[in-house]
Amino acid sequence: AQSVAQPEDQVNVAEGNPLTVKCTYSVSGNPYLFWYVQYPNRGLQFLLKYITGDNLVKGSYGFEAEFNKSQTSFHLKKPSALVSDSALYFCAVRRSARQLTFGSGTQLTVLP
Amino acid sequence: EAQVTQNPRYLITVTGKKLTVTCSQNMNHEYMSWYRQDPGLGLRQIYYSMNVEVTDKGDVPEGYKVSRKEKRNFPLILESPSPNQTSLYFCASSLSQGARNEQFFGPGTRLTVL
Repeated sequence: AQSVAQPEDQVNVAEGNPLTVKCTYSVSGNPYLFWYVQYPNRGLQFLLKYITGDNLVKGSYGFEAEFNKSQTSFHLKKPSALVSDSALYFCAVRRSARQLTFGSGTQLTVLP
Repeated sequence: EAQVTQNPRYLITVTGKKLTVTCSQNMNHEYMSWYRQDPGLGLRQIYYSMNVEVTDKGDVPEGYKVSRKEKRNFPLILESPSPNQTSLYFCASSLSQGARNEQFFGPGTRLTVL
């Protein structure tokens, strides 16, 4: 069965420092992986996805994610965090041709 | 502007009183889906639709109904709401093959069932 884990409920980082939000997955076959962000009182917004090809995927707002097949991970990264990056981040993995499985979410707080 | 809209945004109701949450998208997307978001559980899929008149159950369909009579609309119906359906609900849409393409989410509907 496909699943995705976000091991950290909360990540705090100082503004200007690099940030990492972790995601590991379990899926049969080729994984399709996604990151979404949710700002307060808003719906989820798509950040980036890995379908195939380069292991380093670049997305919106300066975010990137590295697909690591051997470690079954898809960590979200940004070289220099901004206070405005503070939000709830969700990793998702394709479960079937028609469905995604979402992780439980990681609250990122960037401290000024 | 390309968007997914939901109404109402906030709703407080009582147990057993039927309600409908509307969802509409203007992107001509084939795939639409409903999720509920609960703390610590992430998003769980309620129902999804691959196209008009084609709907299927997600992970937590009990107590919910949907219909897809038009491509742009995908209402969520709670025939007899119960307190355990208090949650934040999101509608989403995407091009065909929903699990390959990114989904566009509505702003959410916060439902409280007393």
